[in-house]
Amino acid sequence: DAGVIQSPRHEVTEMGQEVTLRCKLISGHNSLFWYRQTMMRGLELLIYFNNNVPIDDSGMPEDRFSAKMPNASFSTLKIQPSEPRDSAVYFCASSSRLMGENTEAFFGQGTRLTVV
Amino acid sequence: GDSVTQMEGPVTLSEEAFLTINCTYTATGYPSLFWYVQYPGEGLQLLLKATKADDKGSNKGFEATYRKETTSFHLEKGSVQVSDSAVYFCALNSNSGYALNFGKGTSLLVTP
Repeated sequence: DAGVIQSPRHEVTEMGQEVTLRCKLISGHNSLFWYRQTMMRGLELLIYFNNNVPIDDSGMPEDRFSAKMPNASFSTLKIQPSEPRDSAVYFCASSSRLMGENTEAFFGQGTRLTVV
Repeated sequence: GDSVTQMEGPVTLSEEAFLTINCTYTATGYPSLFWYVQYPGEGLQLLLKATKADDKGSNKGFEATYRKETTSFHLEKGSVQVSDSAVYFCALNSNSGYALNFGKGTSLLVTP
């Protein structure tokens, strides 16, 4: 398995533009996490899906952020409109949830977003 | 709520020195504990884990023991290498939760 695949690896966009980040889960995993990493705040959980259903989106900073899982193996995180303070590295991670517990999470290589 | 506290870095060591990175946690029940490592420009990789008290996780010369009495999961390595330079994250996954709670990370720099 190729692991969790994120695209793009780097994104530079102008303030106000829409940004879409993509993530392909490891085959067979049913839990999906989006994290944001910044120097100031470290790793923050944005949203968690289980079996394609959003379970906890309390970490999504504002209505400008939205995430979807159109199928069991793919997710998108959209920011519209983007702002300079959204600049960060965004990680997607997947795991299996079995008998009420999650196995360890496997991370993608991240998307480094810069909003100018 | 559940939380993880790890020592702040950066930690700078000479090659072959002994490494300890402290991690303590607060959680209800019996969480699973993890150490992840992030090399420059990459995502986080699982380094080792322990799922119950007194378990020792080990990998690539790194070890950590789940100490329930002191709520700790300190990372150790007897002889670090330059290639160990990275950021190390302690994390927990409580029985009642679903997502990893990460510490803020500790940057390690090993010099020749």
